[in-house]
Amino acid sequence: DADVTQTPRNRITKTGKRIMLECSQTKGHDRMYWYRQDPGLGLRLIYYSFDVKDINKGEISDGYSVSRQAQAKFSLSLESAIPNQTALYFCATSDSTGGNTEAFFGQGTRLTVV
Amino acid sequence: SQKIEQNSEALNIQEGKTATLTCNYTNYSPAYLQWYRQDPGRGPVFLLLIRENEKEKRKERLKVTFDTTLKQSLFHITASQPADSATYLCALTGFQKLVFGTGTRLLVSP
Repeated sequence: DADVTQTPRNRITKTGKRIMLECSQTKGHDRMYWYRQDPGLGLRLIYYSFDVKDINKGEISDGYSVSRQAQAKFSLSLESAIPNQTALYFCATSDSTGGNTEAFFGQGTRLTVV
Repeated sequence: SQKIEQNSEALNIQEGKTATLTCNYTNYSPAYLQWYRQDPGRGPVFLLLIRENEKEKRKERLKVTFDTTLKQSLFHITASQPADSATYLCALTGFQKLVFGTGTRLLVSP
């Protein structure tokens, strides 16, 4: 089983629908991140969380919300999906202890908004 | 504004040569700089981390340098192989966030 699991892997949804992307991790890490990736734009940070009670906006948080339900779970919601939110979404985790900030990524969720 | 810049053009080299990729940043003072490999449709995979007080780090055929005065990191793959073909991303911790450059695609021809 993967250390960082994203569900669903692929999703097609209609404009205006609410959708949730889920991420769970078995690494015991405290930090979790949501990124989106678009061709030519690299990975852009949407939200990040350093623990269950610490949620922070990234570069492109408008139109998104998150929930850290437990240390191991971090969900990303699109309240009312729009076509320009079509992208590849990645969840990542890292451990703040020991000074090593190496990040581990999930397999990605390919989201298409039509 | 804060920027992390990597060459957007693909780097094409022949097998056996050394590939050198560049990462430049502005308005950050990162404690760490990291390099990741990403294959199409997959999540990035961590390769190397270098700290601000380190000039150079090596791992097998990989070498990373970090010049905090120039605000630049160089990533080298020696004796490159076709299997090294991928996109390589640099990342740094800026204000505790982990932020990424846009990546450079490397193509190694047999």
